[in-house]
Amino acid sequence: SQQGEEDPQALSIQEGENATMNCSYKTSINNLQWYRQNSGRGLVHLILIRSNEREKHSGRLRVTLDTSKKSSSLLITASRAADTASYFCATDNYGGSQGNLIFGKGTKLSVKP
Amino acid sequence: DADVTQTPRNRITKTGKRIMLECSQTKGHDRMYWYRQDPGLGLRLIYYSFDVKDINKGEISDGYSVSRQAQAKFSLSLESAIPNQTALYFCATSDLGREIENIQYFGAGTRLSVL
Repeated sequence: SQQGEEDPQALSIQEGENATMNCSYKTSINNLQWYRQNSGRGLVHLILIRSNEREKHSGRLRVTLDTSKKSSSLLITASRAADTASYFCATDNYGGSQGNLIFGKGTKLSVKP
Repeated sequence: DADVTQTPRNRITKTGKRIMLECSQTKGHDRMYWYRQDPGLGLRLIYYSFDVKDINKGEISDGYSVSRQAQAKFSLSLESAIPNQTALYFCATSDLGREIENIQYFGAGTRLSVL
């Protein structure tokens, strides 16, 4: 079953613009992570935000978490063509099988030069 | 060298054949996972292992089996492959010592086609 659901499914922007992707989830969590996947490649961890945090930054990435709405957003500022990839949110299964992540279906980002 | 290595990278096989996908890691992590990815469906967990003696079924384990030969090796087998097992398969690891975070590290994937 899918815990996280990303929105939009696909996003196309010009280089230099900001890209915002959203994730909604269903159950309580310990933390939420964002991963990036270049076409046909393995996922790479980008950033983790804990359930007691509201915002976190890493370079051009900004992640927010609203546990009352069970949602998170990933903002990529000043996007580059190299940011073209699929982005997935992943949540732990709080109270369920420990050590598992549940991934959303992803947002496919295309950054045009 | 990659920390999480999957072999083969690509495989084409026929219905009914037995297939083994292998994963090895040099990260020293206790936890290992097998996922499959289908277009539009994201990643789904097949099996996971928290140590050599601990194997657990994931969301979609039917038609698959696994073997944890050592801390560093975790193999996925399709006993009798069928066309709807055509997918991209990923192995991942995570560090037991950072359990609460469970940041996972992925291999480059195996693209499997069952004809």
